[in-house]
Amino acid sequence: QVQLVQSGAEVKRPGAAVKVSCKTSGYTFTTYAMHWVRQAPGQRLEWMGLINTATGNTKYSQKFQDRVTFTSDTSASTAYMELSSLRSEDTAVYYCARGKPEYDYWGQGTLVTVSS
Amino acid sequence: EVVVTQSPATLSMSPGERATLSCRASQSISRNLAWYQQKPGQAPRLLIYSASTRATGIPVRFSGSGSGTEFTLTISSLQSEDFAVYYCQSSNYFFGQGTKLEIK
Repeated sequence: QVQLVQSGAEVKRPGAAVKVSCKTSGYTFTTYAMHWVRQAPGQRLEWMGLINTATGNTKYSQKFQDRVTFTSDTSASTAYMELSSLRSEDTAVYYCARGKPEYDYWGQGTLVTVSS
Repeated sequence: EVVVTQSPATLSMSPGERATLSCRASQSISRNLAWYQQKPGQAPRLLIYSASTRATGIPVRFSGSGSGTEFTLTISSLQSEDFAVYYCQSSNYFFGQGTKLEIK
């Protein structure tokens, strides 16, 4: 069965970077893009961007494009999201989601807390 | 940039009632719209894609309609497990602000 399993919760200082992983199984990793979506406490879902897992090409939301980097390791069927220059407003749950383009499978979410 | 706006922000209804949630796009997106359900502490779940196609395993009481700029998610007879937040998502991947469906 298809699974997306994300890395565990992180606590970071302002100005630091965080890297979240999303390990997939149950399907051919390079068949679908991987999207990243975040949700701040009590807020709406916010699309951050996507990575074409077959080519490595990325597309970032304008809001994040200066601070976010998506990568993938096809041999490990894993996608990564790195967000730099963290600030308190980046405190959120970060999700990976398989894009068909609709998101039929999601990771369980990774809570990133930014606090001094 | 396509902006999607959902209404109402909150919908208070009773089990067994019919619920209608709306999503409006700022420009035509054909039928490129998806609906998700999210419960507290959980990842969203895909309900509907391409405006009206139910995702795998989604009960028939959930239906989607619309095209262009106006879309609707209908839950024909509310069950207790349907009380949650619902999001629409446009073809450019951006989400609406959500509709909270709460028990009246």
